[in-house]
Amino acid sequence: SQQGEEDPQALSIQEGENATMNCSYKTSINNLQWYRQNSGRGLVHLILIRSNEREKHSGRLRVTLDTSKKSSSLLITASRAADTASYFCATDARGNQGGKLIFGQGTELSVKP
Amino acid sequence: GAGVSQSPSNKVTEKGKDVELRCDPISGHTALYWYRQSLGQGLEFLIYFQGNSAPDKSGLPSDRFSAERTGGSVSTLTIQRTQQEDSAVYLCASSRLAASYNEQFFGPGTRLTVL
Repeated sequence: SQQGEEDPQALSIQEGENATMNCSYKTSINNLQWYRQNSGRGLVHLILIRSNEREKHSGRLRVTLDTSKKSSSLLITASRAADTASYFCATDARGNQGGKLIFGQGTELSVKP
Repeated sequence: GAGVSQSPSNKVTEKGKDVELRCDPISGHTALYWYRQSLGQGLEFLIYFQGNSAPDKSGLPSDRFSAERTGGSVSTLTIQRTQQEDSAVYLCASSRLAASYNEQFFGPGTRLTVL
């Protein structure tokens, strides 16, 4: 079963605006990761946040994690047309061995120039 | 190589035929994962290999699916007697270790179409 659910399913913004995507999950986790996918092919790892962390930054990306609410958000600041892609959260459930990931359904982000 | 490679990039087959999908992980990565991405199901874990340990096959949808990893490197995912619902993009990923804190590097995928 899918661990993560994301909202919104689709988001359309203007270049320069911020984009916020949310992810909820069901069970306790070791960590949560965000991935980006262009054109339905390979995924690119963006950022990993551990279960004992609350916030993490990487360039224009900011990720928060609230384990009490079992939710995470990804904020992309000052968006660019090149940020247009699908974004997925993925969780590694506590008790899993091997790091297999359970993915959310994804948010399709469109940034208009 | 520089990244994970997969072949073929696209595969069209007839229902009932067998297919083999190949994955070349990043050199030195001991863990290898297969995922499937389809319209109705999103991204699903299929199987992973870690070194010489027995693979975790818990995500394989049926016994028509099997995978092997020879010499701890290249992996082949085999689907026997393909069905139309097997149509999807099959993604392979590798990581240094099969551990939760390790980033997984994905290949470009194989788009399988079963007619």
